[in-house]
Amino acid sequence: KNEVEQSPQNLTAQEGEFITINCSYSVGISALHWLQQHPGGGIVSLFMLSSGKKKHGRLIATINIQEKHSSLHITASHPRDSAVYICAVAGATNKLIFGTGTLLAVQP
Amino acid sequence: DAGITQSPRHKVTETGTPVTLRCHQTENHRYMYWYRQDPGHGLRLIHYSYGVKDTDKGEVSDGYSVSRSKTEDFLLTLESATSSQTSVYFCAISDRWYEQYFGPGTRLTVT
Repeated sequence: KNEVEQSPQNLTAQEGEFITINCSYSVGISALHWLQQHPGGGIVSLFMLSSGKKKHGRLIATINIQEKHSSLHITASHPRDSAVYICAVAGATNKLIFGTGTLLAVQP
Repeated sequence: DAGITQSPRHKVTETGTPVTLRCHQTENHRYMYWYRQDPGHGLRLIHYSYGVKDTDKGEVSDGYSVSRSKTEDFLLTLESATSSQTSVYFCAISDRWYEQYFGPGTRLTVT
């Protein structure tokens, strides 16, 4: 079993829909990251959080440390949000552990 | 964007040839990392560096070596490339190990 699990693996949505991507982890962490990767593109950090909730534009990230779970929400989704979203956790070692990503396609 | 570049961005090479990928940063960050990204796998750590001449292995280090003779450069070498090393390679940098910034990636194809 992977230490970081994301769901769903693939997600198709219509423009304007509210989207949720989930991340569960099994290790103790000091921080959790949400990353975005457009097709053929580089990897961009969206959020780093260790508790509570963060918001940036239409993106919201939450984390529940007790339940070892985080969610990334996209409100009023747009085709330009189409990308792979990756969850990564900073565990006890000085290394990040990555999920396999969620491929999001937002159709106009 | 963090000042991090990778070269080359694309490379096709033949099995058995040596290949060196370069990661260059202008941020003076202490930590540098090499990852590979393959379908069905998350990013996997190959090697990392926590200072000049200080490097350590990651989870998929077999067949790879690294060097860091200057703060700004971290080189990844495939001594004898194999088809299983066809992948997209990402470099990352950080001043705090838990917060990393990624380069644009290098797509390597070994034929």
